Amino acid sequence: KQEVTQIPAALSVPEGENLVLNCSFTDSAIYNLQWFRQDPGKGLTSLLLIQSSQREQTSGRLNASLDKSSGRSTLYIAASQPGDSATYLCAVLDDKIIFGKGTRLHILP
Amino acid sequence: GAVVSQHPSWVICKSGTSVKIECRSLDFQATTMFWYRQFPKQSLMLMATSNEGSKATYEQGVEKDKFLINHASLTLSTLTVTSAHPEDSSFYICSARDPGRGISGANVLTFGAGSRLTVL
Repeated sequence: KQEVTQIPAALSVPEGENLVLNCSFTDSAIYNLQWFRQDPGKGLTSLLLIQSSQREQTSGRLNASLDKSSGRSTLYIAASQPGDSATYLCAVLDDKIIFGKGTRLHILP
Repeated sequence: GAVVSQHPSWVICKSGTSVKIECRSLDFQATTMFWYRQFPKQSLMLMATSNEGSKATYEQGVEKDKFLINHASLTLSTLTVTSAHPEDSSFYICSARDPGRGISGANVLTFGAGSRLTVL
């Protein structure tokens, strides 16, 4: 049974710092891994999608890596801004999509 | 890009009533749609997989008679919460798979904005 774990559960960092969010999964037989952002009371915004054959994807200040063999992914956020404050979810797709519990990120002005 | 619309975005109802939530794929045909539920400060949990023209597949622990899913067309799936109770209050999100996006995109899901249900 696929399980997705995100560490840390919550994180507060000063504005301008670079940070890394971690995601691990137990079954490496996945089609892809996605990172999402969720603002309070809102739906999901897809940030980055990494196919199983890829090792990383970049979009602006965001970089996501995927190491299927070790069951790990990281989301790197460069030069953090207060607007980055949100919950970040990772999800893997095998025969269905399984979400982690998320990391609540707070960027301190 | 692919867009999934959910309606209503929020709904308040009395205990014992039924509530229908719609999930529409606006610019593509979705043969498969997924319904999720998210309780406060919890992760999204998959409730069921909805396939156009056939019965939905429910996850373990999800009552099929309480959460009725209908996927009658390639652009619309509905979730009806029957005889809703306060414990059904939650954030419900749907997603759709666009098979027309080719092999690399076939497993990409597009999410709706969610529907917040409050049962009094």
